[in-house]
Amino acid sequence: SQKIEQNSEALNIQEGKTATLTCNYTNYSPAYLQWYRQDPGRGPVFLLLIRENEKEKRKERLKVTFDTTLKQSLFHITASQPADSATYLCAPQKTNQAGTALIFGKGTTLSVSS
Amino acid sequence: DAGVTQSPTHLIKTRGQHVTLRCSPISGHKSVSWYQQVLGQGPQFIFQYYEKEERGRGNFPDRFSARQFPNYSSELNVNALLLGDSALYLCASSVITGTGATEAFFGQGTRLTVV
Repeated sequence: SQKIEQNSEALNIQEGKTATLTCNYTNYSPAYLQWYRQDPGRGPVFLLLIRENEKEKRKERLKVTFDTTLKQSLFHITASQPADSATYLCAPQKTNQAGTALIFGKGTTLSVSS
Repeated sequence: DAGVTQSPTHLIKTRGQHVTLRCSPISGHKSVSWYQQVLGQGPQFIFQYYEKEERGRGNFPDRFSARQFPNYSSELNVNALLLGDSALYLCASSVITGTGATEAFFGQGTRLTVV
């Protein structure tokens, strides 16, 4: 069955450092991979989408890589800030012409201390 | 523009009861998906509807059902509630693109507690 693993449940870093979150998947080949941010008691918020033929994608302080050989995506937040503290979810996605049905990982909770 | 709206925001039910959760997608979004999120876990896919038809179903028992209305709003129904159904229920809407890759817009969720 499809399995998604995010490197750790919790990651604690100091303000200004780069946070690196890992997402590994097994038993399927997603065409896309999405990353979401979720704050406590709220719904997830979309951050970035990367396609299987893209190696890297950037948006402001965020960078995502997608290695289909390793079946892995890395999510980086540079110059991290306390406001970046949240749970980050990865969701490898198969092609779905009817819309979005995402399979999420468990999430990694990032805490950025000042 | 209003985002995805869900109602109610909180709900307490007794075991064995039935519950109906409601979702209004973003205007123009024809695809609605439902997810269950238990504390400490990522959201688990329950259903996807597009143009009023079920297009996908996750690994949930038949006690879970859903439907989508002509205005693209949606309802999730759960019968014979169990304690284990206590969770945050999330609705997400999305717009269809030619490539199939599209971000999902989530509502704030309905917190269901079964006692």
